[in-house]
This record gives sequence, structure tokens and C-alpha cells, in this order.
Amino acid sequence: AQTVTQSQPEMSVQEAETVTLSCTYDTSESDYYLFWYKQPPSRQMILVIRQEAYKQQNATENRFSVNFQKAAKSFSLKISDSQLGDAAMYFCAYRAQPGFQKLVFGTGTRLLVSP
Amino acid sequence: DGGITQSPKYLFRKEGQNVTLSCEQNLNHDAMYWYRQDPGQGLRLIYYSQIVNDFQKGDIAEGYSVSREKKESFPLTVTSAQKNPTAFYLCASNARGGPAEQYFGPGTRLTVT
Repeated sequence: AQTVTQSQPEMSVQEAETVTLSCTYDTSESDYYLFWYKQPPSRQMILVIRQEAYKQQNATENRFSVNFQKAAKSFSLKISDSQLGDAAMYFCAYRAQPGFQKLVFGTGTRLLVSP
Repeated sequence: DGGITQSPKYLFRKEGQNVTLSCEQNLNHDAMYWYRQDPGQGLRLIYYSQIVNDFQKGDIAEGYSVSREKKESFPLTVTSAQKNPTAFYLCASNARGGPAEQYFGPGTRLTVT
């Protein structure tokens, strides 16, 4: 069974600084998707970024980028120029492809942002 | 506005009572999901449905039931058999094919005393 591990329960960063959240996963599949979701205090889950395993290029979305290391089964999220609004729980998630689109989530990392 | 609605936002029930959580989507998505979120445990899949009138158990289905009579609706019933029902419940949906990221509703916080 696929598993997703987030080993950092909590991370802190100052405004305008850069922070990296770690995620590792275990799978025997070769084709899959990886996601980072953000859950602010409102508890609404918001998709931050996604990565297709067949793509070598790391995904970027504005201040958010990933470092996808397929051989190492690592998928870290880098947040540049951190803002107070980035404070939230961040969940890493995996989905196999093709077939049933079940998401497997990590336990989350709480990001604290200080002025 | 397209999206997923869940109602109510907060729900309180006495132990021994069944309770139904609502989930409606107007995104024309085929697949719908129910997740449970507990502190420190991330999201765990309860049930999912890929098509009307069909659904499958997820990882923690015991004590829960669902129906999928319409494409737009996927209600979840928390039965009295669920040993620890107090939690935050999230409904999600996605289209078929491609990356098909899941879109989430705002959630329902259920408290059973």
C-alpha cells in the first residue's frame, strides 16, 4: 500500500524568508501524481501545486515550487517570500494513475509565519 | 459559482443517534469522496463513489453508510455503530481522467456527546 510521510509536524518561518516542507512517499507504481494542499484556519482544503511523476521538470506556481526526486521518492515544497497568509497546515498527497483516484495523505505540517 | 457545499458547518448529536451529513456539488464531477480528519492524523478515506448508484468502502468505512442516487449528491450517514464519531468531515469530488485534482467542500464538524 502506498504511504506518505511528513516528518515535520511544525515549521516556522519569518515573513519574506524561504521555507521548505518535506514529504516522502512509498509506492511501487511508476506513474502517479503528487499534490500539496493547504488547509488554513478556515479548514478549507486548497490545492497549492501538483506534480506528474512522468515529468522531470519541477512544478512551480508563483511563490510555490517543488523539488521532485523520483528515485528518492521525495517531494518537498518550497515557499519563497513567505507571507502571513501562508500560515496553515500543509498536506502532501499521492494518487496512483490510472484507475481509481484515491488520494493518500500525509499527516501534515503546520507552518507558522512570524512578522 | 461552481463548487461543493456541505451542510451544516457544525453538527451536534447525542450518542446512539444516527446523523446524516450533506454533500452537494455542481461541478459535474463523476467521482465523490468522504474523508475524516482527526488531529495529527491527516485525512482518511471513508467512502468513495465513481458513478451514480455505485460506491466503495475506503479505509475506515465501519460505522458509516452512503448513497449516490444523484450525480450531484453524496450524503454520509454516521451510524450509532461508529465508536468515535466526533471529527471533522470533508467531502471532495473530481472529474475523471488526467491529474484530476480533488476539490473539497468546507467541511462539517460533528460533535457527539
